Amino acid sequence: NAGVTQTPKFQVLKTGQSMTLQCAQDMNHEYMSWYRQDPGMGLRLIHYSVGAGITDQGEVPNGYNVSRSTTEDFPLRLLSAAPSQTSVYFCASSYIQGSGNTIYFGEGSWLTVV
Amino acid sequence: GDSVTQMEGPVTLSEEAFLTINCTYTATGYPSLFWYVQYPGEGLQLLLKATKADDKGSNKGFEATYRKETTSFHLEKGSVQVSDSAVYFCALGVRRDDKIIFGKGTRLHILP
Repeated sequence: NAGVTQTPKFQVLKTGQSMTLQCAQDMNHEYMSWYRQDPGMGLRLIHYSVGAGITDQGEVPNGYNVSRSTTEDFPLRLLSAAPSQTSVYFCASSYIQGSGNTIYFGEGSWLTVV
Repeated sequence: GDSVTQMEGPVTLSEEAFLTINCTYTATGYPSLFWYVQYPGEGLQLLLKATKADDKGSNKGFEATYRKETTSFHLEKGSVQVSDSAVYFCALGVRRDDKIIFGKGTRLHILP
């Protein structure tokens, strides 16, 4: 079972560079989201999507773009990387049927911006 | 607004000790409650959940009961093992828009 797959697992960027974190799920989940995890801050929601063609901002959207052209894929784009975006990024997915649904997480992408 | 507060860590215990990690929440309506666990170098995975008041979630020896009167969902385990060392997140499921709100996490260290 593949579940939620994120790539790359590790990445070092220079300030000002752009990149895309890839996320794919094979569970036919409608809901997909991106979180960042920083020490002492827990998980913070960046962007989310409730279905193909629909995206919305979370708690910390600035500096990131997303799109949802298919149910399976939800890439996260860093437009112009900044050191403040050094973090661990998690993609997640779930069904939308009310709030009792389990969220499935990818293994994380460790990003360092120098 | 909706929020989750959990005890700050790190929590350090000896093997076979009793564990409690406190979690309280603020929410309108009737949320679902979750505990997720993150082992080193991995993503979060569901440990247990409860979807209505007085429900008890349990898994791998861990338990938590949904207490509406005290707005709490404390995580307990009777005898911890070194392999339980991880970060534990309490989370709240908001019914109206299917969002999940996470606490800041509690790091648990179990000493042999």
